[in-house]
Amino acid sequence: ELKVEQNPLFLSMQEGKNYTIYCNYSTTSDRLYWYRQDPGKSLESLFVLLSNGAVKQEGRLMASLDTKARLSTLHITAAVHDLSATYFCAVDRGFGNEKLTFGTGTRLTIIP
Amino acid sequence: GAVVSQHPSWVICKSGTSVKIECRSLDFQATTMFWYRQFPKQSLMLMATSNEGSKATYEQGVEKDKFLINHASLTLSTLTVTSAHPEDSSFYICSALATYAYNEQFFGPGTRLTVL
Repeated sequence: ELKVEQNPLFLSMQEGKNYTIYCNYSTTSDRLYWYRQDPGKSLESLFVLLSNGAVKQEGRLMASLDTKARLSTLHITAAVHDLSATYFCAVDRGFGNEKLTFGTGTRLTIIP
Repeated sequence: GAVVSQHPSWVICKSGTSVKIECRSLDFQATTMFWYRQFPKQSLMLMATSNEGSKATYEQGVEKDKFLINHASLTLSTLTVTSAHPEDSSFYICSALATYAYNEQFFGPGTRLTVL
């Protein structure tokens, strides 16, 4: 059974600081996704990572994937208040199975 | 592109009634859609896969007779919660698989169901 774990579950950080969210998954997967969710809202797609060593950046967020370690990271650079949200990683079940298993989520709060 | 809508955005109903939620892909066709449920402060859990023209497939532990799914066209899937009870209160989110976009899932805005 595919399991996806994120840590930390909660993260409170000051504006301007850097931090990393980790996503571990237990079995082979074809793709890894990062999403953002604001309170009461649905998911906003951030990144899709397809291959080992993939790195994608958008603004202050950068995501990377290590398929050998089954680990993805979401790095936040010089955090700003607008980044406060819950972040989820999700992986598909591999071998062409697009069903997604979501991580536990990381609730990020940026403190001025 | 890749817009998915849901209707209604929120619904309140009495215990024992049935509620239908619609999921539409507005600018692309989707033979496959997915239904997720999210309880407060928790992650998303896949409930079922909706396949156009065929029966839905349900995840382990999801009652197919309680959560009826119909995917009647390439742009519409519906989820009917039958005989709803307070424990069915949740945020229901659908997604549509976009084959033109390397099979990425695009998510609807969600439907908040409250059963009194």
